[in-house]
Amino acid sequence: GAGVSQSPSNKVTEKGKDVELRCDPISGHTALYWYRQSLGQGLEFLIYFQGNSAPDKSGLPSDRFSAERTGGSVSTLTIQRTQQEDSAVYLCASSLQAGGLYEQYFGPGTRLTVT
Amino acid sequence: QQQVKQSPQSLIVQKGGISIINCAYENTAFDYFPWYQQFPGKGPALLIAIRPDVSEKKEGRFTISFNKSAKQFSLHIMDSQPGDSATYFCAARSGPAGSARQLTFGSGTQLTVLP
Repeated sequence: GAGVSQSPSNKVTEKGKDVELRCDPISGHTALYWYRQSLGQGLEFLIYFQGNSAPDKSGLPSDRFSAERTGGSVSTLTIQRTQQEDSAVYLCASSLQAGGLYEQYFGPGTRLTVT
Repeated sequence: QQQVKQSPQSLIVQKGGISIINCAYENTAFDYFPWYQQFPGKGPALLIAIRPDVSEKKEGRFTISFNKSAKQFSLHIMDSQPGDSATYFCAARSGPAGSARQLTFGSGTQLTVLP
């Protein structure tokens, strides 16, 4: 079956512009995560959605970052007034449910470059 | 605060050799320890995982050794092959039922297996 898909695969933007990154999780997966992978670093948790519950935004680095998940499926991560330090690979993952031993399946990521 | 420390940062092994990657953690609430493999341009993929109630888990050429008292765990790749060349991340998960239970990742190890 289809895995997690993300678009665009690459995004180059000028400092100060807003960007939107999209994630299509695996059909039927209720849990969705966003992570950020900076060069030479591990993955940093950003935000989590579970069904219709309020999202866990505890990992968002600033109020310039926001995310939404429409209809319990597709998610969009928005970064406003981008800064050079926002340059990273943004990864989305989904799982059947949060908790237990449900595996998180990752998409290929969106490489964001802020010039 | 880096809660999972991974070493080495890079590793070069001859074909047929053993690759060993180590991780240490601080948070005793972690209750699930997966290892992810990531190829360039791809998202991380679950390789093998262990719970802290066992000291070792083996799947094919991949083995996790877990030392709960030392708060350390390691990945051993036996008979390493050039196709194993990738970045490996250890991770740990915690959180009560119903929470995000997001993964906390190590910083990654770039493994190169020479032919």
